[in-house]
Amino acid sequence: DAKTTQPPSMDCAEGRAANLPCNHSTISGNEYVYWYRQIHSQGPQYIIHGLKNNETNEMASLIITEDRKSSTLILPHATLRDTAVYYCIALSNDYKLSFGAGTTVTVRA
Amino acid sequence: SQTIHQWPATLVQPVGSPLSLECTVEGTSNPNLYWYRQAAGRGLQLLFYSVGIGQISSEVPQNLSASRPQDRQFILSSKKLLLSDSGFYLCAWIQQDPTDTQYFGPGTRLTVL
Repeated sequence: DAKTTQPPSMDCAEGRAANLPCNHSTISGNEYVYWYRQIHSQGPQYIIHGLKNNETNEMASLIITEDRKSSTLILPHATLRDTAVYYCIALSNDYKLSFGAGTTVTVRA
Repeated sequence: SQTIHQWPATLVQPVGSPLSLECTVEGTSNPNLYWYRQAAGRGLQLLFYSVGIGQISSEVPQNLSASRPQDRQFILSSKKLLLSDSGFYLCAWIQQDPTDTQYFGPGTRLTVL
């Protein structure tokens, strides 16, 4: 699987959009970009995934650059409950997720 | 709907003791199953995965083993625990479709003393 790079931490004001960047410059054509988050002491929670096109669901939006070397997860209106570690993963068809250190997002009131 | 269970939720074991963690999935058949470990302040490390009954692939050599005696049951074991085995153990499942999402159980927090 392609290695991904994320900033170690970021702060966000409650009610504002949180934009989480991820670099995956070695991603191959068949690798999907997945985002998970993990709230303290819980199992990771799926957020969203995409291959080429931008995606949106009830939790977030995923913007993938045209060359697919980077992506941005957007939480449109961050709440205190969005405080978590966010993982960006490039997943190929070997079914194995490889989590890095992720980005620790702290939403402040 | 599908659910995934893990037990126990927490466990404190002495060094050298055996270990058995269990994971079961409901509401699906023939899932891919995974064991991950998360050390304190670290990312998740894939330990084992299984694509079917009796089929286990190991990602990291260590004193842990895994077994899949039934379609929806995945067991993580050790004959003798080490201090370094402490961590948060997560089981996950996915349907055999690379575009599907992977769902995680609630985890087992293991402390080896």
